Amino acid sequence: ETGVTQTPRHLVMGMTNKKSLKCEQHLGHNAMYWYKQSAKKPLELMFVYNFKEQTENNSVPSRFSPECPNSSHLFLHLHTLQPEDSALYLCASSQVIRVSTDTQYFGPGTRLTVL
Amino acid sequence: KNEVEQSPQNLTAQEGEFITINCSYSVGISALHWLQQHPGGGIVSLFMLSSGKKKHGRLIATINIQEKHSSLHITASHPRDSAVYICAPVGGNTDKLIFGTGTRLQVFP
Repeated sequence: ETGVTQTPRHLVMGMTNKKSLKCEQHLGHNAMYWYKQSAKKPLELMFVYNFKEQTENNSVPSRFSPECPNSSHLFLHLHTLQPEDSALYLCASSQVIRVSTDTQYFGPGTRLTVL
Repeated sequence: KNEVEQSPQNLTAQEGEFITINCSYSVGISALHWLQQHPGGGIVSLFMLSSGKKKHGRLIATINIQEKHSSLHITASHPRDSAVYICAPVGGNTDKLIFGTGTRLQVFP
């Protein structure tokens, strides 16, 4: 049990749908992250939030819209996705935002399929 | 060429064997993480190191900063060690994780 939960675990959506992924961390951390993991590719960082403020957007298309209402919750709102957006979306959190000294704790991921 | 190369990409072993997974990187780094990803998708951080060697149970991680190389060793491997192992150096100037593509390990009884 990592202390980071994600819902739903699996999601199938059409290209015209709007859906949201939810992440919650119970570790009292201040930084939260969204990652995308496509088949046969390394993990890609999408967004970083520190104390609810977005500190990084790694050139992510606007059809992905993150929201961080507080340090414990992170959402990823999805709309008009493409089939190539099908992937495993992972949320992570860390106490501080410095990855050279701090460990990230990952959620189980949401496996997204876009038809 | 990728900034992070892991070898082998796939590895099968019999229970009890000694396992070595290698990671080479081409950029300056400040630290390096080893991660474990189980078939369900969840990722667990195994080690974070910036020099020398760390040991946790049957797992040992080493790093040689000058040679830009790190290894993950598993002693007395067990089927529950079956997972994808990911090397993730931290860019020295960027403080960002640079992920390898992972090594898929299967340990058979």
